[in-house]
Amino acid sequence: GDSVTQMEGPVTLSEEAFLTINCTYTATGYPSLFWYVQYPGEGLQLLLKATKADDKGSNKGFEATYRKETTSFHLEKGSVQVSDSAVYFCALSAVNQAGTALIFGKGTTLSVSS
Amino acid sequence: EAGVTQFPSHSVIEKGQTVTLRCDPISGHDNLYWYRRVMGKEIKFLLHFVKESKQDESGMPNNRFLAERTGGTYSTLKVQPAELEDSGVYFCASSRRRGREAFFGQGTRLTVV
Repeated sequence: GDSVTQMEGPVTLSEEAFLTINCTYTATGYPSLFWYVQYPGEGLQLLLKATKADDKGSNKGFEATYRKETTSFHLEKGSVQVSDSAVYFCALSAVNQAGTALIFGKGTTLSVSS
Repeated sequence: EAGVTQFPSHSVIEKGQTVTLRCDPISGHDNLYWYRRVMGKEIKFLLHFVKESKQDESGMPNNRFLAERTGGTYSTLKVQPAELEDSGVYFCASSRRRGREAFFGQGTRLTVV
């Protein structure tokens, strides 16, 4: 079945460091891909998304490109801030599933220190 | 616009007891989803309502879990009787249309001891 694999955490970085969180997926059909973020004490928020191959999603300085050839959707940010500390989830939504439920990875905890 | 609200935020119960979680979706959102994250593992889909009807309940782990959405507004998820492996964070999400962005609540952290 469809699945998402993302890098194990925790990831610990200093402020202004470059961030990459790897995400690969397995899916039949042509899924939409998402990154969700959960800040401490809050619910899941959609960070960015891409709906077709070669699309780049971006938000708050974060970017991810839908790579069909490598089945990847890696999250990147050029300069992280302390406020970026959170848990990041990669997810897919397969367009051919009746329920269009999201399939999530295990989550990667990011901790940024000043 | 109020977001998705879940009650309670935390619940600690003993094995064998019953717990009911509640989710109030964003007003006007016909689609309501329940998910669960067991510690350190993936967030897993439980079920999907469209208004008051269960569109997909393929993720419900067993018959100890009962979800309802009477009147197509708020939803409840009852666990009866609770087992240790039911511990985790239960998330609710809603969306106006299927395939559109889903908005998540803060989650209910359930601990079964």
